[in-house]
Amino acid sequence: GAGVSQSPRYKVAKRGQDVALRCDPISGHVSLFWYQQALGQGPEFLTYFQNEAQLDKSGLPSDRFFAERPEGSVSTLKIQRTQQEDSAVYLCASSLTSGRGYEQYFGPGTRLTVT
Amino acid sequence: TQLLEQSPQFLSIQEGENLTVYCNSSSVFSSLQWYRQEPGEGPVLLVTVVTGGEVKKLKRLTFQFGDARKDSSLHITAAQPGDTGLYLCAGVRGSARQLTFGSGTQLTVLP
Repeated sequence: GAGVSQSPRYKVAKRGQDVALRCDPISGHVSLFWYQQALGQGPEFLTYFQNEAQLDKSGLPSDRFFAERPEGSVSTLKIQRTQQEDSAVYLCASSLTSGRGYEQYFGPGTRLTVT
Repeated sequence: TQLLEQSPQFLSIQEGENLTVYCNSSSVFSSLQWYRQEPGEGPVLLVTVVTGGEVKKLKRLTFQFGDARKDSSLHITAAQPGDTGLYLCAGVRGSARQLTFGSGTQLTVLP
């Protein structure tokens, strides 16, 4: 079966541009997570959806970051007015249930480079 | 300060050697997971441990969860070049749903 897919895989943006990153979770998975991973570091939590509801956005670094999952499946992470410090790999993960500790399946990530 | 500290940060060993990676915290976790990540890919789950003192084995990999559920270790026996990758520990705290990751251990196994 298909895993979590993300697009684009690579994105180069000039500072100040807006970007949109897409995540297609595994079909039927209730929970969806976004993480940000700096080079050589572990991923850091950004936001969490249960179906279409965004239940936790405490990890979003600024109000330039916005995420949505309007129909409870595909999700988009949008970054407005990109800055160089936004350069990172953005990972999406999905989980079958909303229970704590259930296995999260990760996509390959989108590598964002802001020049 | 990282909530989950992993050590060592980098490890380069010869094929056939044994190694241990540590994951330590001052916080209690309800469960702890180990992932391996290869360049250009997302993390892939290796194991989940939930009970203090639990030991799980996956072929040549042995995972242990500390009695107090604050720390964990990953031991690899007779490492092979295919074990090369970034090893990440990650835990779930309290009522959270998201994972808190360690900083990772970059393992290189030389043939």
